[in-house]
Amino acid sequence: DIVMTQSPDSLAVSLGERATINCKSSQSVLYSPNNKNYLGWYQQKPGHPPKLLIYWASTRESGVPDRFSGSGSGTHFTLTISSLQPEDVAVYYCQQYYTPPHTFGRGTKLEIK
Amino acid sequence: QVHLVESGGGVVQPGRSLRLSCATSGFTFSSYALHWVRQAPGKGLEWVAVISYDGANKYYPESVKGRFTISRDNSEDTLYLQINSLRVEDTAVYYCARGGDTWNDAAFIWGQGTMVTVSS
Repeated sequence: DIVMTQSPDSLAVSLGERATINCKSSQSVLYSPNNKNYLGWYQQKPGHPPKLLIYWASTRESGVPDRFSGSGSGTHFTLTISSLQPEDVAVYYCQQYYTPPHTFGRGTKLEIK
Repeated sequence: QVHLVESGGGVVQPGRSLRLSCATSGFTFSSYALHWVRQAPGKGLEWVAVISYDGANKYYPESVKGRFTISRDNSEDTLYLQINSLRVEDTAVYYCARGGDTWNDAAFIWGQGTMVTVSS
């Protein structure tokens, strides 16, 4: 199975500041024939289901604010929130869907400093 | 508007079986892969199954293989998860999610989840 390792486990950032969450996969999730990274980022707020933010490592889902961006390729990926807003307090997960099982990272809890 | 609504959860004794359902609307059901993902209380997300748009391909992690069966009824726009030989560690909120047009795609839209509690 592909192991997804997120860092940090938790993060406190001041409002308006940048938040960066990292995700590393134990093997590459880049499929060379289509040059796509099979990596998604999800946001989960307490008491709610997860919400897809980013897919193909860097494609923002419709309706997601442009302060959210994804980057990286192969085995190293980053979710960046450029200017933290109060509504961004949540747990963030990365997931690979390159090969089953479609494993998730353990999550990063983001709080306001 | 796309909707997914899970049902069938509850309190079940260890060793028993349960079938979860996910009723959908607002999209062409037979064109999309579908996933089940679970979340134990206070824990992270665990992906537990995917089924392709036509039901021909199904995948599970080793942790549930042989006990969980994912299926779909494209005439009723409904997804199912049969769980046999329930264990205490199966206690979780179970979410269904719509994927893309292939089984190796992200989980784009999620239901609200149904709680399964396994306890004697």
